[in-house]
Amino acid sequence: AQSVTQLDSQVPVFEEAPVELRCNYSSSVSVYLFWYVQYPNQGLQLLLKYLSGSTLVKGINGFEAEFNKSQTSFHLRKPSVHISDTAEYFCAVSPFSGGYQKVTFGTGTKLQVIP
Amino acid sequence: DVKVTQSSRYLVKRTGEKVFLECVQDMDHENMFWYRQDPGLGLRLIYFSYDVKMKEKGDIPEGYSVSREKKERFSLILESASTNQTSMYLCASSSPQGRKGYTFGSGTRLTVV
Repeated sequence: AQSVTQLDSQVPVFEEAPVELRCNYSSSVSVYLFWYVQYPNQGLQLLLKYLSGSTLVKGINGFEAEFNKSQTSFHLRKPSVHISDTAEYFCAVSPFSGGYQKVTFGTGTKLQVIP
Repeated sequence: DVKVTQSSRYLVKRTGEKVFLECVQDMDHENMFWYRQDPGLGLRLIYFSYDVKMKEKGDIPEGYSVSREKKERFSLILESASTNQTSMYLCASSSPQGRKGYTFGSGTRLTVV
């Protein structure tokens, strides 16, 4: 079994400032890691994913995340946020092995970008 | 543009009604999922299906059933709607091992009165 912790339920940040959204996970096996974004009244959209290889992954809209195996973290960052980044962000993990493996989502972090 | 389409964005139903939520994907994905999303609780898996006519219970299946008669369509059924089923319902699909992540529909906000 695995679990995902997003400690910050809300993160306010001024426009053009940097932001980091934290995600920690626990799992007894190796995992795939994902970040999704949900704009108001919409479904979730895949922002980026880590499967293997380089621990720094880049996604859409200028976001990036770094996988840290020793700290079991996958924090999401953006160097300069825009008003349009206001949304809820979900971290998710999925163990990798044969067949379907259940994805576990965090409870989400609401990013509020202040003009 | 690949899509997961949920038939309704907003629904209002009365307590005790039988409710059908429809989801169609055009990506030829084997896996399909139904989640409900509630503030502070994140996404909770209701049911999923990894093949036509196959279904598996998720974390909160009580009060729900599903149907998958065709690969592209996955229906969620509330047998007798109750007020505690008022929620946002999200459908998603993925390839078999999920390496590419999920593709979500836009969601159906269901209110049971």
